[in-house]
Amino acid sequence: DSGVTQTPKHLITATGQRVTLRCSPRSGDLSVYWYQQSLDQGLQFLIQYYNGEERAKGNILERFSAQQFPDLHSELNLSSLELGDSALYFCASSPSTLAGGRTDTQYFGPGTRLTVL
Amino acid sequence: AQSVTQPDIHITVSEGASLELRCNYSYGATPYLFWYVQSPGQGLQLLLKYFSGDTLVQGIKGFEAEFKRSQSSFNLRKPSVHWSDAAEYFCAVGDYKLSFGAGTTVTVRA
Repeated sequence: DSGVTQTPKHLITATGQRVTLRCSPRSGDLSVYWYQQSLDQGLQFLIQYYNGEERAKGNILERFSAQQFPDLHSELNLSSLELGDSALYFCASSPSTLAGGRTDTQYFGPGTRLTVL
Repeated sequence: AQSVTQPDIHITVSEGASLELRCNYSYGATPYLFWYVQSPGQGLQLLLKYFSGDTLVQGIKGFEAEFKRSQSSFNLRKPSVHWSDAAEYFCAVGDYKLSFGAGTTVTVRA
């Protein structure tokens, strides 16, 4: 158990809908990361938040957005869902961002499996 | 741009035999390197990491990896595989943004 929790574990929804995935980082971790794991794209970095502020963006679609709240939990919002958004979405957390922007080890949650029908 | 190549999609190994998983990376600076393992239906568990220092890194579950800068490699090894090691293994490089390889699925036969 990494200490990172994600809810829900499974989510089934229809095309065009909007969903919210939730992540609670390990106690004391300030950085939260979101990744998408799909069969065709593999594991891809989506976005990072550090202490409430967006720090880095990867290949995140405009239909997707995220935020980190004052209690450091994070939510990933996916809207206008398409069949291709079906994937496993991971949240990870790390203690801090080190000098020069480099970061510490990322610990991953169990993931949320999203199925879009 | 940073990237990782795991040349072997699938490896089958007998229980008790040794295992080596290959990982080649591309990264502009001194890399942070990681190996994660994913069991079916599970999340990613960190096996080991390399930040700097000794190029032979020990991890959990009896795994080790060796960083070779000249070959841009970070291969994972285990001297004697157990049936519970059957899983998918991912090599990753990066700092705040991790780039993962496509993964190597390990099957352990009795």
